[in-house]
Amino acid sequence: DAGVTQSPTHLIKTRGQHVTLRCSPISGHKSVSWYQQVLGQGPQFIFQYYEKEERGRGNFPDRFSARQFPNYSSELNVNALLLGDSALYLCASSLSGPWQPQHFGDGTRLSIL
Amino acid sequence: KQEVTQIPAALSVPEGENLVLNCSFTDSAIYNLQWFRQDPGKGLTSLLLIQSSQREQTSGRLNASLDKSSGRSTLYIAASQPGDSATYLCAVWSRDDKIIFGKGTRLHILP
Repeated sequence: DAGVTQSPTHLIKTRGQHVTLRCSPISGHKSVSWYQQVLGQGPQFIFQYYEKEERGRGNFPDRFSARQFPNYSSELNVNALLLGDSALYLCASSLSGPWQPQHFGDGTRLSIL
Repeated sequence: KQEVTQIPAALSVPEGENLVLNCSFTDSAIYNLQWFRQDPGKGLTSLLLIQSSQREQTSGRLNASLDKSSGRSTLYIAASQPGDSATYLCAVWSRDDKIIFGKGTRLHILP
């Protein structure tokens, strides 16, 4: 079975642009979570979606938004990119809610110039 | 506000030794605690998940314990191997539906 897949793997943008990152969960998983990981730090929680509804939100500005589609895939959108948004963006899926093990993709490396 | 701390930040041990990684958290109202490993430039691989009602979980050479009342978890690695070299992260799911990660312990096993 395929694991969590994320696209693209790498992305370069300039300040002020907009970016969309995509995530496909493991087949049968209904929950998707997004994380930002800056070099040398642990991942920071951005959003969790379950059954297409937002279940949790971390301390990120409104420039960050996400959604989950009927097939349980998800998109993370970031507007008005800042240099500080440069990071590895990780997606994880689980069968249902936070009591289930999280399975991570390899992430999208976003660089802002 | 939940905070997760991992000590030490980095650790080097000779191959074959047993070792313990530590994780502490400030709020005991958690769903579960999960240990991950992360190789450079990669995503996270789940190692063990301990539900809030459990005290420990074992998988092969790994054993994780949870003491919710004291806000502590340990990851025990037996008979370490060079392939165990990675960053080890612990994360807690709090009951406000947020997951908080520690900064990780960078482990280097010396051949």
